[in-house]
Amino acid sequence: AQSVTQPDIHITVSEGASLELRCNYSYGATPYLFWYVQSPGQGLQLLLKYFSGDTLVQGIKGFEAEFKRSQSSFNLRKPSVHWSDAAEYFCAVGAGGQNFVFGPGTRLSVLP
Amino acid sequence: DGGITQSPKYLFRKEGQNVTLSCEQNLNHDAMYWYRQDPGQGLRLIYYSQIVNDFQKGDIAEGYSVSREKKESFPLTVTSAQKNPTAFYLCASSIDGAAGNTIYFGEGSWLTVV
Repeated sequence: AQSVTQPDIHITVSEGASLELRCNYSYGATPYLFWYVQSPGQGLQLLLKYFSGDTLVQGIKGFEAEFKRSQSSFNLRKPSVHWSDAAEYFCAVGAGGQNFVFGPGTRLSVLP
Repeated sequence: DGGITQSPKYLFRKEGQNVTLSCEQNLNHDAMYWYRQDPGQGLRLIYYSQIVNDFQKGDIAEGYSVSREKKESFPLTVTSAQKNPTAFYLCASSIDGAAGNTIYFGEGSWLTVV
């Protein structure tokens, strides 16, 4: 069965600093990978997704993620964090139907 | 605007009462989902429906029930059998249940037992 781990429960960065959120997955076939963001008390918004092809994926709000098959990873990055990026971030494997599996999430705090 | 509408945003339930959370989508999606989210935790699947008049239990279906009589509607009933229902509930949909399709979310509903 597929699974997703996000090793960091909570990360704090200063505004303007770079960001990397880690995601590791377990899946037997070519994975469909997603990153979502959730502001407090809101639904989840899609940041980006990987299907195939170029392993570096660009998303909204200046985010990008890199798929590394050898490491079973799909880490999310942003070169310069803004205070409005403070939120919860979820990585997911989209294996279809009820097999769309989310990681536990990483909470991002941004220091002024 | 196309999207997923959940109502109410906030709901209070007394012990022993059933409550129903509404979820409507105008995206013409076949698949719909209900997730539960507890504070500081990830999403857990309650029910999944791939098509009208069909649905499957997710990981935590006990104490919940759903119906899917119309394509655009997927209401969730939290029954008195659910012992700890206080949580944030998220409805979602995708164009169909195929692997790789994006899941889109509503804004969520807070349920509190008083």
